[in-house]
This record gives sequence, structure tokens and C-alpha cells, in this order.
Amino acid sequence: DAKTTQPPSMDCAEGRAANLPCNHSTISGNEYVYWYRQIHSQGPQYIIHGLKNNETNEMASLIITEDRKSSTLILPHATLRDTAVYYCIVRVNGAQKLVFGQGTRLTINP
Amino acid sequence: GAVVSQHPSWVICKSGTSVKIECRSLDFQATTMFWYRQFPKQSLMLMATSNEGSKATYEQGVEKDKFLINHASLTLSTLTVTSAHPEDSSFYICSARTSGGSGYNEQFFGPGTRLTVL
Repeated sequence: DAKTTQPPSMDCAEGRAANLPCNHSTISGNEYVYWYRQIHSQGPQYIIHGLKNNETNEMASLIITEDRKSSTLILPHATLRDTAVYYCIVRVNGAQKLVFGQGTRLTINP
Repeated sequence: GAVVSQHPSWVICKSGTSVKIECRSLDFQATTMFWYRQFPKQSLMLMATSNEGSKATYEQGVEKDKFLINHASLTLSTLTVTSAHPEDSSFYICSARTSGGSGYNEQFFGPGTRLTVL
């Protein structure tokens, strides 16, 4: 699986959009971009995934660049409950393992 | 989404004893379950992959005789930490994968078990 690079930490004001970047310059054609988050002392929670088109669901939007070498997870109206570590993972869809990197620790400030 | 439970949610034990952690998929059948370990302020580290009815596959550096994994049914996997020592104190998280793996959201995580070895 391709490696991802994320900033170690970010801050965002409550009510504003939180934009979390992820670099995956070695991504291959059949690898998807997945986002999970982990709230303190809980198991990871799936957020969204995509291959090359932008995706949106009730939790977030995923913007993938045309060359697929980077992506951005957007939380449109961040709340205090969105404070968590966000993990960007690339892997072949249906592959056995999910391998977690260090993620981005997002803090939403009141 | 599908629900994965773990029991217990936390456990404290004495050094040298064994501890068993259960992982259950509550509303789906899981042909594959995964066990992760997470130390404070670190990311999740995959320990092993277990397939129902067969031996688990351990990641490099994980002692299979110390971390015994049993996946005897499609809804239950257990992790037994044998002869636990303080350095085994960690947050253990399981995840379960639905049968067939046809959907993108095929892997669901449990809430974790915090193990403290005194």
C-alpha cells in the first residue's frame, strides 16, 4: 500500500470548515483513499473514501486532485465533537489490511 | 453501520496472569477479524489477522505464543495475552470485516479494551 503524509496537528474554530490535507504521491491506479478518525479512547470510525472523483456524505467531503497525488478531507461545519485524530489511508479496495499512519490530530476550539 | 463489540472495555491484572479479550460482530458475520494495539499518543499497530476456522497471521515482531488468537465462529474472535507484563499494558482494538468484502465500508472497529498490567 502507498504511504501517506499528513500534518501532525491542526486547529480549527468551531463552526468553521476544517480542511485536512493528505499527500499520497506514490498512489497506484487501483488504490482508494480512505479516511478514518479516532476520538480519544475509542475505536476508529470510518468517514469516507474515494478513488478519483470527489465524494460527499453526511459527515464530510473528500476532494482528490486530478493527479491523485493528494487529497483533502473537509468537515464543513466543525463542532467540538469533531476533535479527533484523522487518518488518511490508501489501499486497494477490498484488501485485507488497513494500515494506519500517524494521522492528524485535529483540535476544534470554541 | 455494522456493530462490533469488545469485552471487557477495561481490565487490570497482575503481572504473570493471562487475560482474554473478546471481539464480537453483533449484526453481521465476519470471516476476517483484525487485532490492533495502540500505545499512548501513538497510532494503531496491526498485530494479527484472523480468519474464521484457520490460524491467525501475525505481523512481524508480534509473538504468536504470547498473543493467542482464536476465531472459532463467524461472530467471535478472542485475543489472549498470556503471562502479561507491564509492557503489555495498552489499548487493544479489534475490527471485523464483513463476508465477501464487497462494499467499501467493509471493516468495522470495536470500541477497544484498555489493559493495565500491574
